[in-house]
Amino acid sequence: DIQMTQSPSSLSASVGDRVTITCRASQSISNFLNWYQQKPGKAPNLLIYGASRLQTGVPSRFSGSGSGTEFTLTISSLQPDDFTTYFCQQSYNTPWTFGQGTKVDI
Amino acid sequence: QVYLVESGGGLVKPGGSLRLSCAASGFIFSDHYMSWLRQVPGKGLEWLSFISGRDNTIYYADSVRGRFTISRDNSKNSLYLQMDSLRAEDTAVYYCAREGSAWPHYDLWGQGTLVTVSS
Repeated sequence: DIQMTQSPSSLSASVGDRVTITCRASQSISNFLNWYQQKPGKAPNLLIYGASRLQTGVPSRFSGSGSGTEFTLTISSLQPDDFTTYFCQQSYNTPWTFGQGTKVDI
Repeated sequence: QVYLVESGGGLVKPGGSLRLSCAASGFIFSDHYMSWLRQVPGKGLEWLSFISGRDNTIYYADSVRGRFTISRDNSKNSLYLQMDSLRAEDTAVYYCAREGSAWPHYDLWGQGTLVTVSS
């Protein structure tokens, strides 16, 4: 199975900050990397797919980059609604696997 | 309106069975692979199984293969997960999710249904 490792596991930031979350795959996954946001008690919501493609309706302050084994999710200017948890997911090989999550708090 | 709604969760004893359902609305159900995933509250996400739109191609995670069975009824726009031989470690919120048409990602999720396995 492909292991996905996110870093950091948590971070503290302020409104307006630029935030970067990293996701590393245990083997190359090309650009088969997706990012989700999850708020407490809710299902995950797709932000980025194919490493860098912004899902329709997602604010442009979210962006993704990377290929192979290292990927990043960047929030250019953190908004109050963004303080929550983010997961990466590889869709290169079954079983699809997720990172352990990164919690962004104030 | 485009949505997925899960049902069928609840409390079950170890060794018992449960059948989850996922009702889809607002899109052409048979056009999409569908998956079941789960999440222990406060923990990460685990993919369990997916099924193709029309030809019943199916994959399972090792953790549930042989115990869980995924199926779908395109005439009813419904996805199912039959869970047998349940264990305490199967306790989680279970989600159904839709895979995007042109890329393997989950672009639509249900609200989740809680399954608790306990004596």
